Amino acid sequence: EVQLVESGGVVVQPGGSLRLSCIGSGFNFDDYTMNWVRQVPGKGLEWVSLISWDGRRISYADSVKGRFTISRDNSKNSLYLQLTSLRTEDTALYYCVKGGIIGWGQGTLVTVSS
Amino acid sequence: NFLLTQPHSVSESPGKTVTISCTGSSGNIANSYVQWFQQRPGSAPTTVIYEDYQRPSGVPPRFSGSIDRSSNSASLTISGLQTEDEADYYCQSYDDNNHWVFGGGTRLTVL
Repeated sequence: EVQLVESGGVVVQPGGSLRLSCIGSGFNFDDYTMNWVRQVPGKGLEWVSLISWDGRRISYADSVKGRFTISRDNSKNSLYLQLTSLRTEDTALYYCVKGGIIGWGQGTLVTVSS
Repeated sequence: NFLLTQPHSVSESPGKTVTISCTGSSGNIANSYVQWFQQRPGSAPTTVIYEDYQRPSGVPPRFSGSIDRSSNSASLTISGLQTEDEADYYCQSYDDNNHWVFGGGTRLTVL
């Protein structure tokens, strides 16, 4: 069974930084493109970023480009998202999402507030 | 920018069939795979359809996906509606840069 467990969500001030992590299990982690998708509570889904299986292809949504950095460590079955220059509109539940037959984590909540 | 448009809400009675549409703003929706996700209140999304019409293991055959090239749209059809099907449903595809694009979501009410 595919499992994705996110962590790292906290309350942070505008302009601050944090790193989200995701550990995958139940599948060959290094075979799959991985994504981050976020959702403002009560609103729709927004794709944030993707990274190919080998880390060579990386893409970002325009809303986060230049502020967020995606990375992975296949030896640890782990996916990361470094968030910097945070804005109040970045407040959301951040999901780790596996490519292929798409699998979702339970999400980690990032709150940007002063 | 490529957009996917879904109806805001649909409702139907238990045992009936409902279809949720997802219309592409440009291009040919058939050129890229479409996925459908179910999100029950307070829960993370789950995949009910991938690659246009494929069902992950554990998703009942009451859920089906299709593509209509003439209208540049995808559809999710749920037959034999059950109260547990009440949820938000999102379609997802890809733009020219292979970035994910989501529809705005459709709230399904099973009355």
